Amino acid sequence: AQKVTQAQTEISVVEKEDVTLDCVYETRDTTYYLFWYKQPPSGELVFLIRRNSFDEQNEISGRYSWNFQKSTSSFNFTITASQVVDSAVYFCALSEASITGGGNKLTFGTGTQLKVEL
Amino acid sequence: GAVVSQHPSWVICKSGTSVKIECRSLDFQATTMFWYRQFPKQSLMLMATSNEGSKATYEQGVEKDKFLINHASLTLSTLTVTSAHPEDSSFYICSARMGASWEQYFGPGTRLTVT
Repeated sequence: AQKVTQAQTEISVVEKEDVTLDCVYETRDTTYYLFWYKQPPSGELVFLIRRNSFDEQNEISGRYSWNFQKSTSSFNFTITASQVVDSAVYFCALSEASITGGGNKLTFGTGTQLKVEL
Repeated sequence: GAVVSQHPSWVICKSGTSVKIECRSLDFQATTMFWYRQFPKQSLMLMATSNEGSKATYEQGVEKDKFLINHASLTLSTLTVTSAHPEDSSFYICSARMGASWEQYFGPGTRLTVT
């Protein structure tokens, strides 16, 4: 069975601080996908990134960066120079790969509420 | 980009009545749609997976007779909460996938309140 653990339920930072959101996953599959989503107060999920299990390269997109380490089954997300608009719930998710190589159902972590204050 | 809509965005209904929520893929054909439920300050839990033209596959613990899912076309799936009770109050989110793609496109969600 798949499992995603986000141990940090809530994090509060002051604007311009860097913050890292942790994600640890469990799966018996050798091929899988990892995701991060942002859920602002409006409720709509915003896709941030996808990684497949064969691509351990770290990625940077503006103020966002992701560190994927298969050895520790972690996929951590760092926001550099946080802003008030970053305040939201962030979910890490895991998807097994289907036979055809695409994705299957998503297993979500419990989410981390990030509050960025002035 | 791929857009998924949900209707209604919020609904209030009385206990014992049924409520239908629609999920539409607006600019692509969704061979698979997923329905999630999210209680306040909790994670998204998958309720069921539906493939166009076939019966939905429900996750363990989800009552299929209570949460009726129909995926009659490649652009529309519906979730009907039958005989709703206050404990069914939740945020329901659908997602859609085209073909065997890895990506799911999420709808904006429907907030259901049962009084």
